[in-house]
Order: sequence, then C-alpha cells, then structure tokens
Amino acid sequence: QSALTQPASVSGSPGQSITISCTGTSSDIGFNNYVSWYQQDPGKAPKLIIYHVTNRPSGVSNRFSGSKSGTTASLTISGLQAGDEATYFCSSYTTSSTYVFGAGTKVTVL
Amino acid sequence: QVQLVESGGGLVKPGGSLRLSCAASGFTFSDYYMGWIRQAPGKGLEWASYMTYSGRSTYYADSVKGRFTISRDNAEKSLFLQMNSLRGDDTAMYYCARLDRAIDAFDIWGQGTMVAVSS
Repeated sequence: QSALTQPASVSGSPGQSITISCTGTSSDIGFNNYVSWYQQDPGKAPKLIIYHVTNRPSGVSNRFSGSKSGTTASLTISGLQAGDEATYFCSSYTTSSTYVFGAGTKVTVL
Repeated sequence: QVQLVESGGGLVKPGGSLRLSCAASGFTFSDYYMGWIRQAPGKGLEWASYMTYSGRSTYYADSVKGRFTISRDNAEKSLFLQMNSLRGDDTAMYYCARLDRAIDAFDIWGQGTMVAVSS
C-alpha cells in the first residue's frame, strides 16, 4: 500500500493553467477509473473536487478538470486564481479493495 | 445539512487505547459506506479503514490492521474507531468521511479529531 506519487509543489501565475500529476501502479490507478482528487485548505478538512477521474461534484468550478493515462492521473486547474492556493491530494481504489492517497501537492499562486 | 462530527481524540501513552466516534446527520446513514482517514502533522492523507452499509465487511490499511477496529451503529447514526496498542506514528488528525460507492469517493468529511500518542 505505497502512497501515490505527487510533486511536492506546483506554482503558477493568476490566469495560467497548471497540472498536477499523480502516479500509481497497475494495482491502483491503472486498475480502474476510481480516481478522485481532494482540495485541502490549511487547518481544514479535505474537500472532494473530482471523482471517477473526470467528474466534478455539484458546486465545484469547471476550472478543475481531471484525466488519466495508464497509471498516471492528472488534475488541471485552468484560469488559476488566488483562492486556488491549497494542497491537493489524489486517491485511488485498489485491487485489494482498499484506498490509497497521494502525499499531496501544494499549489502556490505567484 | 449533511454533517459529520468526530469526537474522542486526545493524548494517550504508547500502548494505550482510544475510541473515536463520528456522529452523522442530514443523510440516511445506513445508505452509505463510512471510513476513517488520518493525517499526521504536516503530512499527507492516509486512508485507515472503511466499512460497508451494515458493517458486514471491514477493510484496513496494513499500518493499522490488527490494532484498530471500525464499527457502526446505524440506529444511532454513528461510526466508531477503536484504537489499541497505539504508537507514536499513530499521532494524527483523524477524519471521519462518507464513502459514496456511487462515485467511489469520500464526499463528506468531518472536521477531524486529534490523536496524540506520547509518553
């Protein structure tokens, strides 16, 4: 049950697009489309922003989009805003009927 | 509104035990899987456990298997995590979360309860 691999930090200027990668294995990300993404502000609980690789829950901005290729999932934030500064975590269901999270990526808006 | 509220955290000595509780409101508790996710200070999220609607099936991360037990009381709309043989690396914020199998994601989270294991 090794954690999914994410870059520690990603930064961008307002209005730009950034992409966060999340690399797993054939036992998790490569196994199914049960990949989700969470946004966490400091001192707060995580919030679901993407599920089933590409789907957004009601109320989540369409500036957030997800994709997957093989054993790597990605989260793209377009039109970057100051309010997007947060830590983002990916997660996947696994072949063992368990869940695994990534270590998190801190997004900084320059 | 849909809400999860955890309680039961605190300071405990290594080898000790603690029982966390999570009170649910605003949704039909028995219609959902439920889980616990923890986060050590300054670290990432770590899935710990989840259980099915009735509690018939339970799943654990290797790091807690054999020491933690998840349970639920659907009549009381409550989720529990019994933690035994606690170690320093169990120190973390523990979040209760609703696991919606329709979307295979943790869609509702509580505010968390802090567990500190130290002598």
